[in-house]
Amino acid sequence: QKEVEQDPGPLSVPEGAIVSLNCTYSNSAFQYFMWYRQYSRKGPELLMYTYSSGNKEDGRFTAQVDKSSKYISLFIRDSQPSDSATYLCAMIPEGATNKLIFGTGTLLAVQP
Amino acid sequence: NAGVTQTPKFQVLKTGQSMTLQCAQDMNHEYMSWYRQDPGMGLRLIHYSVGAGITDQGEVPNGYNVSRSTTEDFPLRLLSAAPSQTSVYFCASSYFSWRGSGANVLTFGAGSRLTVL
Repeated sequence: QKEVEQDPGPLSVPEGAIVSLNCTYSNSAFQYFMWYRQYSRKGPELLMYTYSSGNKEDGRFTAQVDKSSKYISLFIRDSQPSDSATYLCAMIPEGATNKLIFGTGTLLAVQP
Repeated sequence: NAGVTQTPKFQVLKTGQSMTLQCAQDMNHEYMSWYRQDPGMGLRLIHYSVGAGITDQGEVPNGYNVSRSTTEDFPLRLLSAAPSQTSVYFCASSYFSWRGSGANVLTFGAGSRLTVL
């Protein structure tokens, strides 16, 4: 079993929809949670990161961490065609900075 | 600032050939790393470095060598290319070092696509 599981999609939604992207994990030591966005044929870029449990909001994006369920989510409100990309979750255990573990990524397509 | 620069962007090799993927960053980042990205496998860490002269293995180091003689450069060497090394390779760096704790927020290069025939 992989430490981080992520549905690969593809996920297709109409413009303006609310998108929910999710990852589950098995290692309870994970404390830092990140979401990267990767456009086709580009490198990943950091979208958001959170520490421990709770929510974090940035514009149309909200990251949510539920450590009790070992489940993290990224919500995109009012989705736009420019949001079409692969979204990767990533996690780091406390005290093991170099052990950044990525999910496989979810491909999102927002249809105009 | 150029950020993280990778060269070449594309390369085709024959089995058994060797080559070096170049990575340079101009952000004075201590931490540099190499990942490979394969369909269904996500990003997997090959090697990383926490500073000049210090390197360590990641999850999938076999068949690859690295060195870090300067803060700016972190080349990845394929010693004897195999078809299993066909992949997209990403170099990434961050301010973060192993001395502290916290989120290691990476800046990625644009990638190098390697095909081994």
